[in-house]
Amino acid sequence: DTGVSQDPRHKITKRGQNVTFRCDPISEHNRLYWYRQTLGQGPEFLTYFQNEAQLEKSRLLSDRFSAERPKGSFSTLEIQRTEQGDSAMYLCASSSSFVEQYFGPGTRLTVT
Amino acid sequence: SQQGEEDPQALSIQEGENATMNCSYKTSINNLQWYRQNSGRGLVHLILIRSNEREKHSGRLRVTLDTSKKSSSLLITASRAADTASYFCATDAGSGAGSYQLTFGKGTKLSVIP
Repeated sequence: DTGVSQDPRHKITKRGQNVTFRCDPISEHNRLYWYRQTLGQGPEFLTYFQNEAQLEKSRLLSDRFSAERPKGSFSTLEIQRTEQGDSAMYLCASSSSFVEQYFGPGTRLTVT
Repeated sequence: SQQGEEDPQALSIQEGENATMNCSYKTSINNLQWYRQNSGRGLVHLILIRSNEREKHSGRLRVTLDTSKKSSSLLITASRAADTASYFCATDAGSGAGSYQLTFGKGTKLSVIP
């Protein structure tokens, strides 16, 4: 399968714990995006990478959120000191242009 | 924050009927895209229409764009049970070739009854 993959698909954690999600984009795509989607809403843009450079991170929800793409391939999204309000679906997408983004299946986070 | 606002929020039709969904947005755009999301899964890109285009077709999909009214519509003809999904419009307010930031609406939940 050459689509965008995300791991894990589901994560249940206790409030205050740190979590890290991984995204593997389509191999030839140099652009990578993270979104958050809550129930009944559309995806909300969080951050964007072009190759290994994080070109936009002002939309990350708080300083507890951080993302990396160390070698311009896979990316990780970390949430520190999770709160119940962080419960959501976290989506990753990749693209080779600004025309069309290819989304992964998402990681569903539940904070108890 | 969400720029696009889809209407209706939910739509239920019989298989074979046409489904029309509308999207309104607030600021000038470079392009507008429609995505489909099956329950609990990632989004799939359906079609893109640029700000200088008024209508675009792809298979059973027809998209229109009225920049003066800041609105778009998605028509799915001859619907099938497999079209059951949520449909989102996403706007790109960047310039030139586009930008990295898509702003999604809340979506229309379409149910096609066999």
